[in-house]
Amino acid sequence: QQQVKQSPQSLIVQKGGISIINCAYENTAFDYFPWYQQFPGKGPALLIAIRPDVSEKKEGRFTISFNKSAKQFSLHIMDSQPGDSATYFCAARDRETSGSRLTFGEGTQLTVNP
Amino acid sequence: KAGVTQTPRYLIKTRGQQVTLSCSPISGHRSVSWYQQTPGQGLQFLFEYFSETQRNKGNFPGRFSGRQFSNSRSEMNVSTLELGDSALYLCASSLSGTSGRASSNEQFFGPGTRLTVL
Repeated sequence: QQQVKQSPQSLIVQKGGISIINCAYENTAFDYFPWYQQFPGKGPALLIAIRPDVSEKKEGRFTISFNKSAKQFSLHIMDSQPGDSATYFCAARDRETSGSRLTFGEGTQLTVNP
Repeated sequence: KAGVTQTPRYLIKTRGQQVTLSCSPISGHRSVSWYQQTPGQGLQFLFEYFSETQRNKGNFPGRFSGRQFSNSRSEMNVSTLELGDSALYLCASSLSGTSGRASSNEQFFGPGTRLTVL
């Protein structure tokens, strides 16, 4: 059960609004959940990450909410800006697989209108 | 600190050829992972190297191979290229990637190599 399901596939938000992207997983061995931001022509950039012993983590305008019992986690972008327009990926790492292997969600294309 | 670098940035090859891509990790990082990114399949894990040993392998055919050198630099090779191998190939480095300290899990990606197979 290696999949990570991400939704929505695309999201349009007005400037100043809140962007919310959701991910769900089945594998209870996942122990590390990062979010990446990718601009066209660039590699993914690590935004923020959380471990399952924490229910929420905030860094600036970005917050991860984690619900261990529901096996869901989400990214909230507060006060969304046009510069946030990018593709966002959630990911997860399996502690039973040694090393850095990440399983990625399908991605969400975020557009923030001015 | 310099980020992850990948060379070349763009490649055009024809079917049947082979290609070698190179990745230099962040200084001090010992783990290098490779991913394939396509519009249809998203980000798919290829393999990971740590201390010159392959530590993890994804579900890709044997035409995809890699290696890591003593300075942690890594190369991946694709032999007998197929049209479906056209993709962005991403390299990511981390300290060690093992559980424990969160910082050891953080993976940093390079800009990728865009491979086009004609």
